[in-house]
Amino acid sequence: LAKTTQPISMDSYEGQEVNITCSHNNIATNDYITWYQQFPSQGPRFIIQGYKTKVTNEVASLFIPADRKSSTLSLPRVSLSDTAVYYCLVGAYNQGGKLIFGQGTELSVKP
Amino acid sequence: KAGVTQTPRYLIKTRGQQVTLSCSPISGHRSVSWYQQTPGQGLQFLFEYFSETQRNKGNFPGRFSGRQFSNSRSEMNVSTLELGDSALYLCASSLELQGGDTQYFGPGTRLTVL
Repeated sequence: LAKTTQPISMDSYEGQEVNITCSHNNIATNDYITWYQQFPSQGPRFIIQGYKTKVTNEVASLFIPADRKSSTLSLPRVSLSDTAVYYCLVGAYNQGGKLIFGQGTELSVKP
Repeated sequence: KAGVTQTPRYLIKTRGQQVTLSCSPISGHRSVSWYQQTPGQGLQFLFEYFSETQRNKGNFPGRFSGRQFSNSRSEMNVSTLELGDSALYLCASSLELQGGDTQYFGPGTRLTVL
């Protein structure tokens, strides 16, 4: 099962672009990469998912290099409400298994 | 479409008691997973149910058990509660087995054991 490594914490200011990188050296061929956001005392919320290259939705972009051993979540123009913990996970679609949440990255956005 | 719902939202119990938590997945979702979240250990996987069968289990003692009904609703039971069981218990549902499939989390049940 692929393990992920992320920075424990990051600081940013409103209006800046934030990039959070996740390492997953043991990612398997069938694994997808998924990012979740969690606010205190709430359940994690799905942000974005990808397999390779680049994925973009209305809230974020996900960049995945060719070797897929890492991925970068990009949050454009963050606001105070983006202060949260961000988790990177890898797992194979429809194959079950224990999804392991790492420590996550605690993002603090300052005014 | 309604999201994942969990009941109750808050619960206070004493050591030695047992507790049952309930989770209703998003309509059409067949997989329900349970997680325990504490400040010290983070989010830890408890178990996953799919089509009324436990498919995967985390590293928790046998005091933690669960089941899934034919309508995909799931319950989690913790017997002989210990102080360390105080945590936020999260339920997540997905269309198929978890893994690469997107999981949708409920708001959680905050359990306090006194």
